[in-house]
Amino acid sequence: RKEVEQDPGPFNVPEGATVAFNCTYSNSASQSFFWYRQDCRKEPKLLMSVYSSGNEDGRFTAQLNRASQYISLLIRDSKLSDSATYLCVVTSGGSYIPTFGRGTSLIVHP
Amino acid sequence: DGGITQSPKYLFRKEGQNVTLSCEQNLNHDAMYWYRQDPGQGLRLIYYSQIVNDFQKGDIAEGYSVSREKKESFPLTVTSAQKNPTAFYLCASRKTGLGNQPQHFGDGTRLSIL
Repeated sequence: RKEVEQDPGPFNVPEGATVAFNCTYSNSASQSFFWYRQDCRKEPKLLMSVYSSGNEDGRFTAQLNRASQYISLLIRDSKLSDSATYLCVVTSGGSYIPTFGRGTSLIVHP
Repeated sequence: DGGITQSPKYLFRKEGQNVTLSCEQNLNHDAMYWYRQDPGQGLRLIYYSQIVNDFQKGDIAEGYSVSREKKESFPLTVTSAQKNPTAFYLCASRKTGLGNQPQHFGDGTRLSIL
C-alpha cells in the first residue's frame, strides 16, 4: 500500500461548483499535513497547512481525520484559475521527511 | 526578494557526462531537499540536508551526488551512472526549529538527454 494516496482524477467541474478531494495516509504516526497546488510545468506552491481542528482560507477548507487517516480539501465557488494539480503532503518522524501524493487534477470549465 | 533560485532552467546532458544543478536560497533555512518529478508522477526525494556539511540519501539517490558546504547552497550532480536522468528537478528548503514548517520550492530545472 502506498504511503500517501490520492485519486488522480481529473475532476472536471463547472465554474461555481464545490469540489472535494481526499488523501489517505498509511502511517498512523504522521504529524504534519499540507496541501500544495502545482500548475502545469511549474513548481508546487503551498496552498495551506492542515490543522487538527480543521482550517479555512477563503474558499478553501482543509480537514484532518486521524481516526480514518485521511485529509481533505474542499474548494467552494470554483474559479477557472483553480484548475491545477493538488498535492497532498504528509510528514512523519522528527526528521521531517515529507511524502508526497501523486496529486489530484482539477479542471474547472466555464 | 527572499526565495530559492534554481539554475539553469533547462539543461541538456550528453551521454557519459556529469551535470550539476544549482540551488541557492536566501531564506536562512537550515534544511534543503532535492526532488525528481517525472511526467504524471509525484515528487520523489533524492537527497536532503538538515544542516551544513551533512546530508542524507532519499529514496532514489543512486546516480546522484550532493554537497552542502554553505547554508545557502545545495548543488545536485547528476552523474553518468544515472541512466534515465530526463525529469523535472525541484529544490526545496524549510525553516527548522519552529514546529513543522512547510517546504518552499524553487522553480525547477528540466533536464533532458541529448
